[in-house]
Amino acid sequence: DVKVTQSSRYLVKRTGEKVFLECVQDMDHENMFWYRQDPGLGLRLIYFSYDVKMKEKGDIPEGYSVSREKKERFSLILESASTNQTSMYLCAGRGAYNQPQHFGDGTRLSIL
Amino acid sequence: TQLLEQSPQFLSIQEGENLTVYCNSSSVFSSLQWYRQEPGEGPVLLVTVVTGGEVKKLKRLTFQFGDARKDSSLHITAAQTGDTGLYLCASAPNFGNEKLTFGTGTRLTIIP
Repeated sequence: DVKVTQSSRYLVKRTGEKVFLECVQDMDHENMFWYRQDPGLGLRLIYFSYDVKMKEKGDIPEGYSVSREKKERFSLILESASTNQTSMYLCAGRGAYNQPQHFGDGTRLSIL
Repeated sequence: TQLLEQSPQFLSIQEGENLTVYCNSSSVFSSLQWYRQEPGEGPVLLVTVVTGGEVKKLKRLTFQFGDARKDSSLHITAAQTGDTGLYLCASAPNFGNEKLTFGTGTRLTIIP
C-alpha cells in the first residue's frame, strides 16, 4: 500500500512563529504537493516539487516556502505564521502526470 | 486558470435514494479525476476519465465525462451511509501539466 505520512494531525502555534509541516512518502514518487483546504474553497495548491531540490509555486504561495532535500520528504514552512493561515494542510505524492495523487491525512493547523 | 464548479455544494438524502452531483469547467479538461474524502482523512481517488463521452462504473457509482470534455457527473444508485463524504473533482488543463485544479466539492450526507 502506498503511504503518505504527515507528521502532525493537529498543531497549534502563535502568530509570528516559524512553523514546519513535514510530509514523508514511501512510493519513490518524484512529484509532491502541498495544499490547503478551507470550507467553500476546496483544495488550493501552495507549492509542488517534481524532483529533489526543485520546487514551483502553486496558486497561493505567499507566506509559505518549501524544502525538498531528499526525495521522500517535502516540508512546508510558514515563515511568520499569521491567523489567516489557520487551515487544513494536505500533502500528496504522485508518480507520472496522469496518475492519481496519494494524500496524507492532513494537518489541522491553528494560529492563535 | 481553469475553474471547476461543483454542484450542489451540500446534499442530504435518505439511504436508498439515488443522486447525481456535477462538475463543470470553463474550459476543456484533458482528463478528470473524482476523489472522495472522509472526515479526518485525505482525499482518495475513485476514478479517472479521459475520453469524451466515457462512462465508468464502480459498483453503485457511475461516472460520466461529457462529450465536449467540459463537464462530468457522478451518479450514486441506492445510496448507503458509507457513501457519506466530500466528493471532489480535479483536472489538469493540459496533458503533461503537473498541476491539478480541484473543485470546491460536494458534501454528501446519507441519512439512515
